[in-house]
Amino acid sequence: DAEITQSPRHKITETGRQVTLACHQTWNHNNMFWYRQDLGHGLRLIHYSYGVHDTNKGEVSDGYSVSRSNTEDLPLTLESAASSQTSVYFCASSDPGQQETQYFGPGTRLLVL
Amino acid sequence: RKEVEQDPGPFNVPEGATVAFNCTYSNSASQSFFWYRQDCRKEPKLLMSVYSSGNEDGRFTAQLNRASQYISLLIRDSKLSDSATYLCVVNRNQGGKLIFGQGTELSVKP
Repeated sequence: DAEITQSPRHKITETGRQVTLACHQTWNHNNMFWYRQDLGHGLRLIHYSYGVHDTNKGEVSDGYSVSRSNTEDLPLTLESAASSQTSVYFCASSDPGQQETQYFGPGTRLLVL
Repeated sequence: RKEVEQDPGPFNVPEGATVAFNCTYSNSASQSFFWYRQDCRKEPKLLMSVYSSGNEDGRFTAQLNRASQYISLLIRDSKLSDSATYLCVVNRNQGGKLIFGQGTELSVKP
């Protein structure tokens, strides 16, 4: 069965370190998205991609970057982790023909100390 | 003001109750509307789309009022398994980017 996975599921890091969160989908979807979810803010879009080598900034992109070298993966990098980036991170993908249905990964809980 | 705003929660209701969630959106150019469900500490999942004429899926009924920029979700005969956070979601038709409301938590008690 097609799926979307994230790794690691939990991560503890220190401020200033670079961290990369992986997202892998086997739906063969062109659209992929990264969100963060915090109490009081709901899901906020960080970066998104509509295909290989395409990346775009979302609502809260400062301090984050993504790259899309293939259809299946969209890794999210925190250049220099800050305590304000402690959050739950969700990756999602969708088919351009069914844009409203986004399939989410299980999430990564990141704690920055 | 947030682009998508929902009723504050939590809603605590007994089994069998009818509960309604409301949502407003500020961008009149919004094209598509949805309700997602999120169980505690898990990923959101699409519950149902919301159509202009209103639509029903079993015990769930969704309504859209474009003039008032208002969306609703009605759950009839609540079950314990309905306990979750319900997210109101809007698509501005800009390449599949979804705008999520904060969510309303529902707790159904025996």
